[in-house]
Amino acid sequence: KQEVTQIPAALSVPEGENLVLNCSFTDSAIYNLQWFRQDPGKGLTSLLLIQSSQREQTSGRLNASLDKSSGRSTLYIAASQPGDSATYLCAVTNTGNQFYFGTGTSLTVIP
Amino acid sequence: DGGITQSPKYLFRKEGQNVTLSCEQNLNHDAMYWYRQDPGQGLRLIYYSQIVNDFQKGDIAEGYSVSREKKESFPLTVTSAQKNPTAFYLCASSIDVRQRTGELFFGEGSRLTVL
Repeated sequence: KQEVTQIPAALSVPEGENLVLNCSFTDSAIYNLQWFRQDPGKGLTSLLLIQSSQREQTSGRLNASLDKSSGRSTLYIAASQPGDSATYLCAVTNTGNQFYFGTGTSLTVIP
Repeated sequence: DGGITQSPKYLFRKEGQNVTLSCEQNLNHDAMYWYRQDPGQGLRLIYYSQIVNDFQKGDIAEGYSVSREKKESFPLTVTSAQKNPTAFYLCASSIDVRQRTGELFFGEGSRLTVL
């Protein structure tokens, strides 16, 4: 069964820093990988979707990369802001179109 | 606006009662999902449906039931058989599962508390 790991579980950075969040998965036979943001008490908001044939996707200050062979993805956030504080989750889809989630990285950006 | 609507946002239940959580989507998505989220445990799949009148058990289906009579609706019933129902419940949907590349979208969630 696919297992998804996100390290670190929590991260605190000063405003303006660039940062990288990590996501690793055990089965490289994925169809896509998706990054989400979750604010406390809210649902998940999709940030970026990377198809299995792609290496990266960008949206504004966010850049996500995918290395299927090593089972890893990173989410790069440039020039972090206090409004970026949230929990970030990654999820992968397998052949059954089921989605497997990591437990997330809780990010705090200090003004 | 297109999206997924979950209701109620907060729900309190006495032990022994069944409760139903509503999930409606107007994205014309084929697949719909119910997840449970507990602190420190991530999201766990309860049930999913890839087409109307069909649904499959997820990893933690015991004590839950669903129906999919309409494409846009996928209600979840938490029965009295669910021993620890207090949790945050999330509904999601994705486009044509046959493509297997669909993006997953979520509702705002429903928080159930057993008194």
